[in-house]
Amino acid sequence: EDQVTQSPEALRLQEGESSSLNCSYTVSGLRGLFWYRQDPGKGPEFLFTLYSAGEEKEKERLKATLTKKESFLHITAPKPEDSATYLCAVQASLTGTASKLTFGTGTRLQVTL
Amino acid sequence: GAGVSQSPRYKVAKRGQDVALRCDPISGHVSLFWYQQALGQGPEFLTYFQNEAQLDKSGLPSDRFFAERPEGSVSTLKIQRTQQEDSAVYLCASSFDTSGDTVTDTQYFGPGTRLTVL
Repeated sequence: EDQVTQSPEALRLQEGESSSLNCSYTVSGLRGLFWYRQDPGKGPEFLFTLYSAGEEKEKERLKATLTKKESFLHITAPKPEDSATYLCAVQASLTGTASKLTFGTGTRLQVTL
Repeated sequence: GAGVSQSPRYKVAKRGQDVALRCDPISGHVSLFWYQQALGQGPEFLTYFQNEAQLDKSGLPSDRFFAERPEGSVSTLKIQRTQQEDSAVYLCASSFDTSGDTVTDTQYFGPGTRLTVL
């Protein structure tokens, strides 16, 4: 069974204080690892997809990296508008109907002035 | 362009009532997914359609849950005889194609329907 564990559950940063969120996973053949951002009362908003170990992707202050066992979401010099819950999800290799995403419980990030 | 839309955004039901939740996917998206998200948790898979075919319904928690997508576009998730444990946010997502092209496999989510069962 595919499993995703995210840590920490919650993180409070001051504006400009860089940090990393962790996503550990076990999956029967990784097709893709996805990062989403979710604001209160809204649906998850797509950020990145990573497909193979060693891959990195960046968007503004966010950088996602992938190894064979975990992914990190690095936040550089965060701003209050980066406050949200960050969700990690895995998709197993496409065999039959294995298209679903398995999510972790998320990391709630709060960035203060 | 227009994203995934869901209606209603909020639904309050008395225990035992039937409810129907609607999802309009992004135009042209072949695949459609339903997820259930409890408070403080990540979304959990319910069911998946490719066009009008329901290819995976392994996540539906009971036979009170039923989903359809008769014309391969709009989908409806129906919950019969609602129970308090059905209270959650129901998310719909669509993707262009899952035939093997990783670029088009990203799932885009709607805003969700928050269901409260009293």
